[in-house]
Amino acid sequence: GAGVSQSPRYKVTKRGQDVALRCDPISGHVSLYWYRQALGQGPEFLTYFNYEAQQDKSGLPNDRFSAERPEGSISTLTIQRTEQRDSAMYRCASSSGLAGESTDTQYFGPGTRLTVL
Amino acid sequence: LAKTTQPISMDSYEGQEVNITCSHNNIATNDYITWYQQFPSQGPRFIIQGYKTKVTNEVASLFIPADRKSSTLSLPRVSLSDTAVYYCLVGAYGGSQGNLIFGKGTKLSVKP
Repeated sequence: GAGVSQSPRYKVTKRGQDVALRCDPISGHVSLYWYRQALGQGPEFLTYFNYEAQQDKSGLPNDRFSAERPEGSISTLTIQRTEQRDSAMYRCASSSGLAGESTDTQYFGPGTRLTVL
Repeated sequence: LAKTTQPISMDSYEGQEVNITCSHNNIATNDYITWYQQFPSQGPRFIIQGYKTKVTNEVASLFIPADRKSSTLSLPRVSLSDTAVYYCLVGAYGGSQGNLIFGKGTKLSVKP
């Protein structure tokens, strides 16, 4: 595709529900990143993948957060038992080179605005 | 990962040159310096990247002194559309980490 796409663009859920956020990277990009961005703050790293392998998940806040990229393309970030503090913009980015081994730039998607009531 | 420090905000007027300086005293040998721009309601967008000396592209210039402990993003003749948040990052490429650490960025406001 022309760029990184994310869906849904907006998600409102009730506390305690599970949500799944989807990221479709630029075709052919091998690395995929997830960030969370609070209002007025810079993006906060969550996790990243090289192909289907999750390389670093040190940024995931707790075990309610998980991510997968089973076929090395589309990725899903899942938040279980959502809490109000999970409300934020969740952004996905992709790059053509292997993360950690290149200086390739990251291309960001439009984000998913998650609101937990 | 090297921590960066940059001004929280800057004001400018149309047609002026804007220089945003970022400090990264603990930059490592294999770190590159990258600047991203973010408009409201959009994801960050790559502007420029460098390792040392000067880099110039169609959008901006990046000046990096010999000690690499700081860098300056230079935007020539800004316009209202350059109003955005600018992030300075250092990345440990070639190593074991692929994540980028964003700070709070510099909010640039360009006035008519």
